[in-house]
Amino acid sequence: QLQLQESGPGLMKPSETLSLTCTVSGASISSSSFYWGWVRQPPGKGLQWIGSIFYSGSTYYNPSLKSRFTISVDTSKNQFSLKLTSVTAADTAVYYCAREKGTKLDNWGQGTLVTVSS
Amino acid sequence: EIVLTQSPGTLSLSLGERATLSCRASQSVSSSLAWYQQKPGQAPRLLIYDASNRATGIPARFSGSGSGTDFTLTISSLEPEDFAVYYCQHRSNWPLVTFGQGTRLEIK
Repeated sequence: QLQLQESGPGLMKPSETLSLTCTVSGASISSSSFYWGWVRQPPGKGLQWIGSIFYSGSTYYNPSLKSRFTISVDTSKNQFSLKLTSVTAADTAVYYCAREKGTKLDNWGQGTLVTVSS
Repeated sequence: EIVLTQSPGTLSLSLGERATLSCRASQSVSSSLAWYQQKPGQAPRLLIYDASNRATGIPARFSGSGSGTDFTLTISSLEPEDFAVYYCQHRSNWPLVTFGQGTRLEIK
């Protein structure tokens, strides 16, 4: 059974760099059938796609977001990661990792809340 | 960039009633549209993909229809566990993923 699990710090200070990791179990991240993506949701608001990565390392980002995001993959650990530089309070959100299969996001992690506060 | 607009913002219905949720795309997306259900404190759950295909384990009371720019998610007879927020989503060939702003389905 496929499972995705986010991990990372829950509390950040402004200007710090956020690093989140998504550990995939029950499937190989090296499959050519999927992309692996990140979605965030500010408190009380809707879903915002951040970007995704293919196992080869090809990345795709939401053009409406500033280029502070970097997504990377570690196939040896079956993980992919998200880095966000210079965080502000506006980056406070639940961050989800998800598997992108074709046109849909068919499996999601439980999400991790990241709070940015001084 | 394709924009997805959902309506209504909030839908108030009673148990057993039929729910009809709408998603309109700013340009044609063919049948490339998915629907998700999200309950408080939980991750979104895939309900419908490619406009009308139910995801694994989704009850038959959920159905999707539409193509081009206009899509509908229908819940034939509301159960208590159906009250949640629903999102539509499109993934382009680029690939860029876009979500609608959501419809909150609440108990009347």
